[in-house]
Amino acid sequence: EVQLLESGGGLVPPGGSLRLSCAASGFTFSSYAMGWVRQAPGKGLEWVSSLSADGEATYYADSVKGRFTISRDNSKDTLYLQMNSLRAEDTAMYYCAKYRTVFGVDWFDLWGQGALVTVSP
Amino acid sequence: EIVLTQSPATLSLSPGERATLSCRASQSVRTYLAWYQQKPGQAPRLLIYDVSNRATGIPTRFSGSGSGTDFTLTISSLEPEDFAVYYCQQRSNWPKTFGQGTKLEIK
Repeated sequence: EVQLLESGGGLVPPGGSLRLSCAASGFTFSSYAMGWVRQAPGKGLEWVSSLSADGEATYYADSVKGRFTISRDNSKDTLYLQMNSLRAEDTAMYYCAKYRTVFGVDWFDLWGQGALVTVSP
Repeated sequence: EIVLTQSPATLSLSPGERATLSCRASQSVRTYLAWYQQKPGQAPRLLIYDVSNRATGIPTRFSGSGSGTDFTLTISSLEPEDFAVYYCQQRSNWPKTFGQGTKLEIK
């Protein structure tokens, strides 16, 4: 089955760190760029970060640049998001998502179920 | 940053009616625009990409149109499962921004 499964969410105090993982299955993970999108409670979607299929090109929203790091391990079919210096405004559901075309960075056509990150004392 | 403005914020219609949702970009995104559907408690789902191409498995009652700065998602005849929140997204420039969403609710 083609799917993405996030893990690593939880409650963390302001200034703390957390690493999200996204395990992929059912497709050739190493051929697809991947990304993270978040959604604060009751709010809309916000693109966070993207990473090329080979892991060489990274892209970040200004709101997380310098604090978050996206990476991947193609030998483990897993995408990561290392989140440091967390703030209350980072509280959100974090979705892992796959891009639609091989080696392309176009549209997210497969999404995980999300990992909830809560930043609170 | 390209800002996408969706209208209306909420659209109240009945099953069987036609729905027209709008997305306006602050500058041209050419044809690099997509639509996603999100139901409560679920992840978003890609509906339409590159303005008018339906994603895999998307029913033909969903269609998209437009170019440049003005785009439309049309649902020709609403089914009960279509009531959800719809987001547009552009990929013309980084960051690849989303609109704020249109909630399609049952009248």
